[in-house]
Amino acid sequence: AQSVSQHNHHVILSEAASLELGCNYSYGGTVNLFWYVQYPGQHLQLLLKYFSGDPLVKGIKGFEAEFIKSKFSFNLRKPSVQWSDTAEYFCAVKTKAAGNKLTFGGGTRVLVKP
Amino acid sequence: EPEVTQTPSHQVTQMGQEVILRCVPISNHLYFYWYRQILGQKVEFLVSFYNNEISEKSEIFDDQFSVERPDGSNFTLKIRSTKLEDSAMYFCASRPEGVRATDTQYFGPGTRLTVL
Repeated sequence: AQSVSQHNHHVILSEAASLELGCNYSYGGTVNLFWYVQYPGQHLQLLLKYFSGDPLVKGIKGFEAEFIKSKFSFNLRKPSVQWSDTAEYFCAVKTKAAGNKLTFGGGTRVLVKP
Repeated sequence: EPEVTQTPSHQVTQMGQEVILRCVPISNHLYFYWYRQILGQKVEFLVSFYNNEISEKSEIFDDQFSVERPDGSNFTLKIRSTKLEDSAMYFCASRPEGVRATDTQYFGPGTRLTVL
């Protein structure tokens, strides 16, 4: 069965610092990959997704992620964070074998200090 | 932009009671989902629903759970006899049917269920 792991449970950084959140999945076939964000008190929102093509995906709010198939990774990056990026970030994977469902990682709580 | 909505935002119930969590998916979407997140744990898939029937369900989704689309807009999750371990945040999601480019699930804000 597929699984997703996010390496960091908590990240604390200052404004203008660069952010990279790790995500690894275990599945040998074709995958669709997603990053969702949950701001305090709000619902899960899609940041970006990868289906095929260019492995470097750009999303909303200055985020990007790179799919590295050989490493089974889909790390999320932002070159310069803002206080408003304080949120929980979830990586998720969808595969044909698993049907319609998304399999989520454990989430990473990011706190950006002003 | 249209959104998935869920009611109530917080539900407190006694163990053994029945609860119904309600969701209004985005209007032209055809696939519906329930997920849950127990405090401190991962978001877990419960069930998917398409064309008025369950298309997939997880091991968590046992006989205590049921889903229904009673009318053209609502999508409900019923827990017949709640247990303490059902306490969690329950998320509804929906997605349109179509090509892969639209294969994104849109999530509601969640209902926090507390079973006492």
